[in-house]
Parts: sequence; structure tokens; C-alpha cells
Amino acid sequence: DAGITQSPRHKVTETGTPVTLRCHQTENHRYMYWYRQDPGHGLRLIHYSYGVKDTDKGEVSDGYSVSRSKTEDFLLTLESATSSQTSVYFCAISSGRLTTDTQYFGPGTRLTVL
Amino acid sequence: AQSVTQPDIHITVSEGASLELRCNYSYGATPYLFWYVQSPGQGLQLLLKYFSGDTLVQGIKGFEAEFKRSQSSFNLRKPSVHWSDAAEYFCAVGAMETSYDKVIFGPGTSLSVIP
Repeated sequence: DAGITQSPRHKVTETGTPVTLRCHQTENHRYMYWYRQDPGHGLRLIHYSYGVKDTDKGEVSDGYSVSRSKTEDFLLTLESATSSQTSVYFCAISSGRLTTDTQYFGPGTRLTVL
Repeated sequence: AQSVTQPDIHITVSEGASLELRCNYSYGATPYLFWYVQSPGQGLQLLLKYFSGDTLVQGIKGFEAEFKRSQSSFNLRKPSVHWSDAAEYFCAVGAMETSYDKVIFGPGTSLSVIP
């Protein structure tokens, strides 16, 4: 299994509070991704990174920000959590472009916003 | 815009029976196609992928998928299902963007296996 860890694995928070999720990899892969998984929607990309300090938006980026100061860490921040952000969040990594390289997923973080 | 549909939300099969999970995609050019599996409480794992060449693709765990351009389909098959195959299956279509490869996931098909 690819070395990807996510922390925390479960979190319950209240509306309006800031939340930061961490993804840590030991594979030295260039690309890192944050997805959210909701019933009936599959996975949707929030943000991705193609290198240290190089990040960009995915299809559902509103309300989220990311940072990547080191190759191994990719942080996802909810500045002011809302109930619509209750979801399961997955981090993924790949060494290169997905046309040639495999995307590996972390175990997920279940976030509940009350 | 790219999109993926998986017509079956839930499928139940008996152990040892054959399996086919349907996937249809919408994409203007030659697509990159993937099938992923998600076991309960786990992340996704790549089963197989199609980029070009032979339209019948072999994957891990005895799965295969066939790309049919005329039908815009990429159905997943397995000749004999095992109880451990019970999971959620996601079809996805990929497209090359400037700085990364965009992947659009379908809504998933949940597979139950009866002993």
C-alpha cells in the first residue's frame, strides 16, 4: 500500500469553526489531491497540487483552501465550516500525470459539521 | 463537459455468478477510463485503466473491462464473483488539462454478494 495517512480520521465540529485536515505521504510523489465523497456524487475534486507551493482549484473549491509547504504534506482548510461540508474527505497522490501513473488514495477523514 | 453515469445504484449477485457493472461516459475526444473499487471504510483502489490500444483491458483481482466507443461504454466484468468482491465500484473518465489530469467519477455501484 502507498504510504498515505490522513489526520484526523474522524472529526465533529460546529458551524462557523475553522477545520484543517492533513494528508501526509511518504512516497515523495509530486501530485497530491483532495476529494470529497458524497452519496450519489462519487468523488469530486476540491483542490490539487502539482508541486511544493503549486496548487490549483478543482471543481468544488468554494469554501476550501489548501497549502503545500513540503512535498510530503498537503493541508485542506475549511475557514468557516458549514453543514454542507459534512462529507468524507480523501487525499490522493500520484507520481506523475494520471495518463501514465496510478493515483493512490488515503483512508479518508469523516467530517461532521453540526 | 465530461460526465460518467453508472445506471445501477446497487447490484446483488450470488457467489460464483458472473458480474457486469455498467458505465457510460460523455467526452468529446478519446477518453481515458478507469475503474476503482472501494471496500467499506477504505480509500479507493485502481482496478484497471484504459488509455489506448486493445479495447479489452485486464485488471487486478480477476476483473476486466471493455471499451466500446460506439456505445460510449466501459463495462466492468468478472466471470465468477467472490464474497470479498462486495464493495463500491466507481467508473471514472479522465481528461488532460494544462497542469494535471482531470478525473470525473461516476456515482458508484454498490455490490452485494450472497453466499
